[in-house]
Amino acid sequence: AQSVTQLGSHVSVSEGALVLLRCNYSSSVPPYLFWYVQYPNQGLQLLLKYTTGATLVKGINGFEAEFKKSETSFHLTKPSAHMSDAAEYFCAVSEDDYKLSFGAGTTVTVRA
Amino acid sequence: DTGVSQDPRHKITKRGQNVTFRCDPISEHNRLYWYRQTLGQGPEFLTYFQNEAQLEKSRLLSDRFSAERPKGSFSTLEIQRTEQGDSAMYLCASSPNMGNTIYFGEGSWLTVV
Repeated sequence: AQSVTQLGSHVSVSEGALVLLRCNYSSSVPPYLFWYVQYPNQGLQLLLKYTTGATLVKGINGFEAEFKKSETSFHLTKPSAHMSDAAEYFCAVSEDDYKLSFGAGTTVTVRA
Repeated sequence: DTGVSQDPRHKITKRGQNVTFRCDPISEHNRLYWYRQTLGQGPEFLTYFQNEAQLEKSRLLSDRFSAERPKGSFSTLEIQRTEQGDSAMYLCASSPNMGNTIYFGEGSWLTVV
């Protein structure tokens, strides 16, 4: 069975500061891993995904994530936060490339 | 490519009534998914279609829920005899084939009063 734990339901950062969102997963097989972003009253937009190969994955809007198998982690980072990064972020895992299991989400607020 | 389209975006209904949501996937995407998201939670998988065939249903999809995808194009999700616990956002998504990105629509909010 696959599952995701996102550490911290709320993260507040200053504009220009590092954004770090933590995600740990459990999976019985090598997983596919995803980060999605959701703006208020909107659907989910894919930020980045890991399938195979390079463990450091770059996504849209300056985000990147690193797959660490030994730590079963897939943390999301962005070096410098922008006001437009305020949103809810979801980490997801899939063992079969069609059924995603999502974490509970982390809400990011950006202080001016 | 206009993205995944869902209708209606918002629905308020009285307990016990039936509701139906429609999803139009991205053109030529042969996989279509339904997820449910409640406040403060991540989306939960409900069901998915490969063309017109419904290949998997979650245990979350009680007998009051039915999803169809006639002709492998648009899909409908019907909830019969709605209950207050059905209040949630219902997300539709689609993807072209195995191993590709899943694209989500903007969701249909259901409020049962």
